[in-house]
Amino acid sequence: RKEVEQDPGPFNVPEGATVAFNCTYSNSASQSFFWYRQDCRKEPKLLMSVYSSGNEDGRFTAQLNRASQYISLLIRDSKLSDSATYLCVVILYGQNFVFGPGTRLSVLP
Amino acid sequence: DGGITQSPKYLFRKEGQNVTLSCEQNLNHDAMYWYRQDPGQGLRLIYYSQIVNDFQKGDIAEGYSVSREKKESFPLTVTSAQKNPTAFYLCASSPTRDQPQHFGDGTRLSIL
Repeated sequence: RKEVEQDPGPFNVPEGATVAFNCTYSNSASQSFFWYRQDCRKEPKLLMSVYSSGNEDGRFTAQLNRASQYISLLIRDSKLSDSATYLCVVILYGQNFVFGPGTRLSVLP
Repeated sequence: DGGITQSPKYLFRKEGQNVTLSCEQNLNHDAMYWYRQDPGQGLRLIYYSQIVNDFQKGDIAEGYSVSREKKESFPLTVTSAQKNPTAFYLCASSPTRDQPQHFGDGTRLSIL
């Protein structure tokens, strides 16, 4: 089983839709979690950290479910500019980041 | 402005040639990383460094070499031993190993 898995998509959604991605991880001792966004042929950029209690940043909500070993990203009121690949990242303290393969989102007009 | 600068943006390698990709950061970060990304794939770690004059192999270090003589610089050499070097190479840095990484805008390497 891979350390971090994501549904590759693509998720094709209309503008204004709500879309959610999940990311599962295999190591129950994983401590920190992040979501990155990568536009086509560009570098990844940090979108948000994921906290145990869940956190929100505008239209974006991140949640962590330790019991089932997954994190999620919810995007409300999707914009065309949200089209990108979303990478989840899992880290064990003292270990390196493990990047998921990414989920591609296309928001359609 | 603080950030990470990678150069060149595009690089072409001839058969049997070594090439060096530059990565410089002025964020005063201790940790630096090199990743390789193939089309439609995730990031794979090549090498990382937590401190000057020290670096460790990542998951796919064969055919690559690095140095960390200065805190702000972490160049990557793609040697002739790397038989399939065509990829997008990303350099990143973070304050420490456990904190979010920030990326440069990458170098695209192709074989002539």
